[in-house]
Amino acid sequence: ETGVTQTPRHLVMGMTNKKSLKCEQHLGHNAMYWYKQSAKKPLELMFVYNFKEQTENNSVPSRFSPECPNSSHLFLHLHTLQPEDSALYLCASSPGLTIYFGEGSWLTVV
Amino acid sequence: SQQGEEDPQALSIQEGENATMNCSYKTSINNLQWYRQNSGRGLVHLILIRSNEREKHSGRLRVTLDTSKKSSSLLITASRAADTASYFCATDPFGQAAGNKLTFGGGTRVLVKP
Repeated sequence: ETGVTQTPRHLVMGMTNKKSLKCEQHLGHNAMYWYKQSAKKPLELMFVYNFKEQTENNSVPSRFSPECPNSSHLFLHLHTLQPEDSALYLCASSPGLTIYFGEGSWLTVV
Repeated sequence: SQQGEEDPQALSIQEGENATMNCSYKTSINNLQWYRQNSGRGLVHLILIRSNEREKHSGRLRVTLDTSKKSSSLLITASRAADTASYFCATDPFGQAAGNKLTFGGGTRVLVKP
């Protein structure tokens, strides 16, 4: 266990659905991240939050909407996704230099 | 294009052999990190080497960094079947807040055959 918990682990959603991914960390870290990992593509940084404030949006389409209500929780709200958005979504937190990842949420868009 | 690129993309070795993989990057860095990912799981941090360090060891892992060539290598000695995983290098660009723009390469898939 890395201390970063993601739910659900697996999600299948239709293109018109609205769903959310949840991430929780009990490590006391002030930075949290969303990464996307697709087959045959490098890990892509999506969003960075520091002390609950978004500090990085890596040109992510608006159908992905992050929310960070406090330093321990991070959500990724999903709306009208496309099949190419199917991927492993990884949440992570960091105390500064190194990153602690959750186990990921496998998303399939049908 | 991505900051870090690993080479080779895949590696197959026998248990007990050493595994070496390389990472090249493009811009100046604060540090370079190696992570491991078991199939379908999250990434786990292995080792960090700062830009002013040339070599670092952790257990059976040995990392080198050559900033003049913008390259790093990860050596796993006396490999075990449990070392089967994908290994990623990640670079922390110079001038950015530490950890905020950690950029990962495409990874090296390592298969250790018993």
